[in-house]
Parts: sequence; structure tokens; C-alpha cells
Amino acid sequence: QLHLQESGPGLVKTSETLSLTCTVAADSIIISSYHWDWIRQPPGKGLEWIGTFYYIGSTYYSPSLKNRVIISVDMSKHSFSLKLNSVTAADTAVYYCARRYTDSFDPWGQGTLVTVSS
Amino acid sequence: SYELTQPPSVSVSPGQTASITCSGDILRDKYASWYQQKPGQSPILVISQNNKRPSGIPERFSGSNSGNTATLTISGTQAMDEADYYCQAWDSRTAVFGGGTKLTVL
Repeated sequence: QLHLQESGPGLVKTSETLSLTCTVAADSIIISSYHWDWIRQPPGKGLEWIGTFYYIGSTYYSPSLKNRVIISVDMSKHSFSLKLNSVTAADTAVYYCARRYTDSFDPWGQGTLVTVSS
Repeated sequence: SYELTQPPSVSVSPGQTASITCSGDILRDKYASWYQQKPGQSPILVISQNNKRPSGIPERFSGSNSGNTATLTISGTQAMDEADYYCQAWDSRTAVFGGGTKLTVL
């Protein structure tokens, strides 16, 4: 079964860049066959889609975040990453990575809490 | 931008049928997916493409989509089904989630 694991700093200072990595326990052929997405969930709130990456270089981002976000893939490390710049307290959330399978997200990583504070 | 609207909460007695709705114009021609999220856990996919159950999801979970409303139905609801449920669909190249419904099994 496919396994995803998020990693990165749990605390980021206001106005700095949030950087997370999602490691995919799978062969490179698997990574090149699907879209890979980031989704976040502020404490006590609902899910918010951040963006997606497809290995041929296609990326699509949430209209509300597109000016601050970059998603990329490192095939050699079987991972994909999220960078969100100019963060504020509103970016405090649990960040999930997920594989897109047909029109759904499955599976999801366990999530990692990122707190933005000055 | 498109929105998906869910009721904030639904209550059901054990053994009864729970129905959770998700409304939005994008559902008229897009698939709906449903996710279950228990406290402190990641969401898991319970219904894809309106009505398909992934492997390992109990048969009591089913889905439908008609007009602008998708519905998640849980037949014979069990205490273990108490969770938050989110619908999701695609608006062009953007994923949209509903606000979530807290299912309480009383």
C-alpha cells in the first residue's frame, strides 16, 4: 500500500517561507504516473486545497494562494515539496500531502502541524 | 469561485440511516468524492466518482449525485462512523471542499 510522509519545521516565523517535503514510499514509475497534491487544515476548521504537481511539470494552485506557493518534485528522492512564502498566522495549519487518484485524494499522509508565529 | 455547501451537523441513532448532503453548481457535471476524518487522524476516502467505494470501505457507505446535490448515505450507522465528513469536487483545475459535516451517532 502506498505510504506518504510529510516532514519539515513545525514552527515558522511570520513573513518567512514555509517548506515541507512529502516522501513517497514507491517506485519512481509510481511517482511519474500520478498527480501529487498538498492540502491544509487550520486548527478546528475544514480542508483547503493548496495545489498539485504532475511530473511532466504541470502545476496548478489554489487561486487564493497561487502568488505565494510553489510545488515541485524530486524524483531522485521520491519526494515532492511545498514552499509557501510570506506566511502569516492565517497559514497555521496541519499540512497534508496526498496522491490524486482519478478525481479523488487517496491516500493521504499523516499530516504535519505548522505554526506561524513571530 | 465555486462552493460546496454541507450541513454543519447531522445526528443519527445507531443502526439507522444517515444522509449527508453536499450542494453546489459544479456537481451538475463533476464527480463528487467523500472523505471521513476522525479526531486527530488524516482524512480517508470513502466514496469516489459519486458512488464508488474504495477497497476496504464497508458496504454500508454509498453515494449518489443528482442535479446539484451529492449525498453520502451510511446505512446501519455504527458508533465507529462518528466523524467529520467532507465532500470534494473539481472546478476546472481547482479542487473544492465542502465545509464539512460532523456526524454524531447518538
